[in-house]
Amino acid sequence: GESVGLHLPTLSVQEGDNSIINCAYSNSASDYFIWYKQESGKGPQFIIDIRSNMDKRQGQRVTVLLNKTVKHLSLQIAATQPGDSAVYFCAERARGYQKVTFGTGTKLQVIP
Amino acid sequence: GAGVSQSPSNKVTEKGKDVELRCDPISGHTALYWYRQSLGQGLEFLIYFQGNSAPDKSGLPSDRFSAERTGGSVSTLTIQRTQQEDSAVYLCASSFASGSGTDTQYFGPGTRLTVL
Repeated sequence: GESVGLHLPTLSVQEGDNSIINCAYSNSASDYFIWYKQESGKGPQFIIDIRSNMDKRQGQRVTVLLNKTVKHLSLQIAATQPGDSAVYFCAERARGYQKVTFGTGTKLQVIP
Repeated sequence: GAGVSQSPSNKVTEKGKDVELRCDPISGHTALYWYRQSLGQGLEFLIYFQGNSAPDKSGLPSDRFSAERTGGSVSTLTIQRTQQEDSAVYLCASSFASGSGTDTQYFGPGTRLTVL
């Protein structure tokens, strides 16, 4: 479903530490998942994606983990930097559908 | 190449007036989405266009909201008789929707709508 009318949860992390942002999904038919980053005043920006036939995918300083058993998705950011401060959204797409649905975002605050 | 563009970037209107928001997707992208984002909140899906298929309007909050996509490219979101609760950032995104199994959406900068 769409994230409407909800207060964004906030994660505060010390600069240099690793960050883990979590996302739960409910649709067992979802086969494709994406993480987006949204900086203040800008539109969301693609970070990394993963298909349901994988359980882990790595990018530059980011790793996405998918646990289909418990319908859980996480984004790990290594050596968090001040520039990582943003709102992070997970998104999912159900098998056979084109429309992607966004989850509730998480605000990441990096403490210098 | 050029990304998704939206105009205007900011729009201030009076309650009861109609507004039109424009989205220019990335050339060649077949899918186009409109979302609404209230201050400090998540993305609310509004409408989705895919090629020549009938749009998915399931997210439109009321019949005051409508959208068109002409020639499979530019899209216009129209809000009639605006209300103060329509104040938000309206985001447009496009994707290639290749059918290969991935669908990365590229977002525009949004239009900030303020209804007085």
